[in-house]
Amino acid sequence: EAGVAQSPRYKIIEKRQSVAFWCNPISGHATLYWYQQILGQGPKLLIQFQNNGVVDDSQLPKDRFSAERLKGVDSTLKIQPAKLEDSAVYLCASSSQGLWTSVNNEQFFGPGTRLTVL
Amino acid sequence: GESVGLHLPTLSVQEGDNSIINCAYSNSASDYFIWYKQESGKGPQFIIDIRSNMDKRQGQRVTVLLNKTVKHLSLQIAATQPGDSAVYFCAENTGGFKTIFGAGTRLFVKA
Repeated sequence: EAGVAQSPRYKIIEKRQSVAFWCNPISGHATLYWYQQILGQGPKLLIQFQNNGVVDDSQLPKDRFSAERLKGVDSTLKIQPAKLEDSAVYLCASSSQGLWTSVNNEQFFGPGTRLTVL
Repeated sequence: GESVGLHLPTLSVQEGDNSIINCAYSNSASDYFIWYKQESGKGPQFIIDIRSNMDKRQGQRVTVLLNKTVKHLSLQIAATQPGDSAVYFCAENTGGFKTIFGAGTRLFVKA
């Protein structure tokens, strides 16, 4: 089974520029997550999708960050304009279980995109 | 806000010894806890999980202990190997929603 795919793996931009990240989850996984991981910290959830609907985006800086999962499969995360503090690894994860389930909801992570904002 | 935290940022152990990584959580409503392993340049990888109705769960060479009284979680790795060197995160989940990660503990295994 193929894992979660992310691209690009690395991106360097200058502040105020725009950037987009792409994620393709494991086939059939209904739930998709975007996390931001700043160096030395644990991942922080930015947004969670259930199929093509948003479940939680409470920690997404909506003035500059946006994400979509139009067909309920792959997803893009965009930052416009980028700030220095956005330098981090952006992780995408997917899980097979939906909400309100008693079955453990293991998340499978992609390798991440390392963003450097200069 | 409530968060998951770790007692020690780094842990160094001798190959073959047992490792214990500790974690404190503050949300008494959390009902599901997970340990992840993250190697350099990779995303976190699921190791083991436990639900709040249990106090111990064992996997292959790993054991998770949950003490709800003091809101404490630990990961025990038996016979630690060089391949176990990584950052370990505990995470908590409430009702199937948002997963909150702790800051992580880096484990060094000395040969």
